[in-house]
Amino acid sequence: GDSVTQMEGPVTLSEEAFLTINCTYTATGYPSLFWYVQYPGEGLQLLLKATKADDKGSNKGFEATYRKETTSFHLEKGSVQVSDSAVYFCALRSGGYQKVTFGIGTKLQVIP
Amino acid sequence: DAGVIQSPRHEVTEMGQEVTLRCKPISGHDYLFWYRQTMMRGLELLIYFNNNVPIDDSGMPEDRFSAKMPNASFSTLKIQPSEPRDSAVYFCASSDIDGNNSPLHFGNGTRLTVT
Repeated sequence: GDSVTQMEGPVTLSEEAFLTINCTYTATGYPSLFWYVQYPGEGLQLLLKATKADDKGSNKGFEATYRKETTSFHLEKGSVQVSDSAVYFCALRSGGYQKVTFGIGTKLQVIP
Repeated sequence: DAGVIQSPRHEVTEMGQEVTLRCKPISGHDYLFWYRQTMMRGLELLIYFNNNVPIDDSGMPEDRFSAKMPNASFSTLKIQPSEPRDSAVYFCASSDIDGNNSPLHFGNGTRLTVT
């Protein structure tokens, strides 16, 4: 079945540091890929998405590129802020019934 | 757009009691998902519906759990009888019909505590 593997956290960075959170996937067919963010006490929110190979999703300074050859969708940000502290989930959606599969989530803590 | 609405926001109950969680999806969305989130197991898909019909309930832990979607604007997740290990945050999410491109829209969750 489909699966998403992302790096376990927590990840602790200083403000203005470069962020990478790795995500790889296995899926049949041609999935769409997503990054979601969860702030404390809230539900998950869509951060960005990519729907086909070589697409780049971007939002709020975050970027991720759909790499079919390496089955990866790594999340990057050039300069993190304290307000980026949250849990980040990689996900894919595929199949005739459009099932959604999430990774385990990576907690990011940004310190001033 | 009010987003996905879940109620109650918090629920505390005693072991053995029945618990009902409620969800109102975004109007026009035809997929509805129920997830459970715990520190130990992360985010688990329990069941999802398409056009009010259950598509995959393989994630429902056991017969104590049941979910219904009587119409396009309402769904319930029921636990009977509840047990302490059911304590978790339960999320409802919905999405529209744009195929696999559609993201999920999550509610703010129901935090369930079973004592």
